[in-house]
Amino acid sequence: NAGVMQNPRHLVRRRGQEARLRCSPMKGHSHVYWYRQLPEEGLKFMVYLQKENIIDESGMPKERFSAEFPKEGPSILRIQQVVRGDSAAYFCASSPPDRTNTGELFFGEGSRLTVL
Amino acid sequence: KNEVEQSPQNLTAQEGEFITINCSYSVGISALHWLQQHPGGGIVSLFMLSSGKKKHGRLIATINIQEKHSSQHITASHPRDSAVYICAAFSNTGNQFYFGTGTSLTVIP
Repeated sequence: NAGVMQNPRHLVRRRGQEARLRCSPMKGHSHVYWYRQLPEEGLKFMVYLQKENIIDESGMPKERFSAEFPKEGPSILRIQQVVRGDSAAYFCASSPPDRTNTGELFFGEGSRLTVL
Repeated sequence: KNEVEQSPQNLTAQEGEFITINCSYSVGISALHWLQQHPGGGIVSLFMLSSGKKKHGRLIATINIQEKHSSQHITASHPRDSAVYICAAFSNTGNQFYFGTGTSLTVIP
């Protein structure tokens, strides 16, 4: 049973380009969370999704950032017109449907975005 | 003020020492998690606590719900324990985590 798979592990973009980060949750997990870790800072919640639904996006910047978790395929975090301040590690975590009340999460290895 | 505060921020220990990392939180929780992150690496869940104490090998975690405080201990520390340890409070409202900024541990041989 593969763990949470994130790709790419490392992504380099120039300012103004788009970044797409993918997350395949563990098998059987229907809940996906995205977190951002800025250099020298802690993890910050961005968005919580279930299949085809955004449950909580209170941590998402209002502009340029979007997330989806389609019925088929991985969850995608999309950052349009990237700026240097977007450089960070983006972690995805998944949770089985019966464990959402305790926050049992399984994390991916992260995608490290560098904006030049 | 952060919802989760950890101390110390950085910790250097000699191999074999007993290590304690502290975490205080201000939100209501349904569970308190301890995570481990190696440099440039992913995040691994070490403990999930809602009360009392848990032990995995040389790692021990405790929580005092009334005082809103948790500690993680490492007995007989080893250089491979060097990592960032993150305390995360899972809120009992809204399915949301609040993370501490982490404790960077270096164990010297």
